Amino acid sequence: GNSVTQMEGPVTLSEEAFLTINCTYTATGYPSLFWYVQYPGEGLQLLLKATKADDKGSNKGFEATYRKETTSFHLEKGSVQVSDSAVYFCALISGAGSYQLTFGKGTKLSVIP
Amino acid sequence: SQTIHQWPATLVQPVGSPLSLECTVEGTSNPNLYWYRQAAGRGLQLLFYSVGIGQISSEVPQNLSASRPQDRQFILSSKKLLLSDSGFYLCAWSHSDTDTEAFFGQGTRLTVV
Repeated sequence: GNSVTQMEGPVTLSEEAFLTINCTYTATGYPSLFWYVQYPGEGLQLLLKATKADDKGSNKGFEATYRKETTSFHLEKGSVQVSDSAVYFCALISGAGSYQLTFGKGTKLSVIP
Repeated sequence: SQTIHQWPATLVQPVGSPLSLECTVEGTSNPNLYWYRQAAGRGLQLLFYSVGIGQISSEVPQNLSASRPQDRQFILSSKKLLLSDSGFYLCAWSHSDTDTEAFFGQGTRLTVV
């Protein structure tokens, strides 16, 4: 079956530090890959996505590149802000005929001033 | 545009009482619908998903049930709540043509006392 593994948290960084949250996956076929963000007390919002190998998803300064050879989709941001404090989830959905997302366990990020 | 409504936002219920959480989607037809649970400090667990009216798939055996009486309505229920049912419940929808992201409601914080 499909699975997503992301780095354990929590992660604490100082403002303007570089962020990397690792995500690797196993899936049948060619999945689409996603990063979701959950701010405190809220639901999940799509942060970025990539639907095929070598695609780079980007949004709000965050980036992730779909690496088929390493089955990875690591999230990066060059300079984090306090407002980036949230829980980040890596997820995938496999090819046609599949009906559900598979999520990683989430990584809590805290950014301190 | 499409929107998803989930209510109530918070709920405190005694052990043994019934539960009904409702989720509705606007602006789309024949969506895939999902119920997830997020226990404290843990990742997302898929509870139920539905690809059409009256079609419910359960991912984990538990004290909960789901129903889809209308195309864009998804209800999570329990006849008798347990302490272990406490958590953050999220409803989501996705287009039925797959390979697209899911959109989440704001969540319901359920505390069973």
